[in-house]
Amino acid sequence: SQQGEEDPQALSIQEGENATMNCSYKTSINNLQWYRQNSGRGLVHLILIRSNEREKHSGRLRVTLDTSKKSSSLLITASRAADTASYFCASSGSARQLTFGSGTQLTVLP
Amino acid sequence: DVKVTQSSRYLVKRTGEKVFLECVQDMDHENMFWYRQDPGLGLRLIYFSYDVKMKEKGDIPEGYSVSREKKERFSLILESASTNQTSMYLCASSFRIAPDTQYFGPGTRLTVL
Repeated sequence: SQQGEEDPQALSIQEGENATMNCSYKTSINNLQWYRQNSGRGLVHLILIRSNEREKHSGRLRVTLDTSKKSSSLLITASRAADTASYFCASSGSARQLTFGSGTQLTVLP
Repeated sequence: DVKVTQSSRYLVKRTGEKVFLECVQDMDHENMFWYRQDPGLGLRLIYFSYDVKMKEKGDIPEGYSVSREKKERFSLILESASTNQTSMYLCASSFRIAPDTQYFGPGTRLTVL
């Protein structure tokens, strides 16, 4: 079942600006992960945040998790043209699988 | 680095043909997954395997089967390809079942004519 939903579906920003993407999910989770996909390629894992964490950083990435609202956000600071890609959240609950959202297409204009 | 490879990047088949998509991982991962990805629908899990010769259905197993005879290899089989199986197929592996990180192959774009 499709549990995660990203918002917005598409985002276009100028190089140097920050990009924020949101994800909502429906059931309780063990963790939430964010992945990136360049056009026509496989997904690459970016960051994982556990259900007992509220915020996590990795380089220019900042992820927050609000379990009371069943939502997460991914912030990319000082974006670059190379950040242009689709970004997916994936939630992990009691089932032995990840449930992916439909993704946010980010375009960073030079 | 974990490497997940898929046998073809692009594949064109005809309706009714039997299609094999192969996936190999080199990190001794226990778990392997097959997804299909369609515009607006995100990734949908077809089948996964948590051990050799073990398999479990995902969300959309109809029209597909899988085989895992060796730990490193997970095959997706379309017994009789149909046009609605035209899609991007992604294989992934992980050390443990979710909630572990999954490592993806580059994908196979399958077109069924």
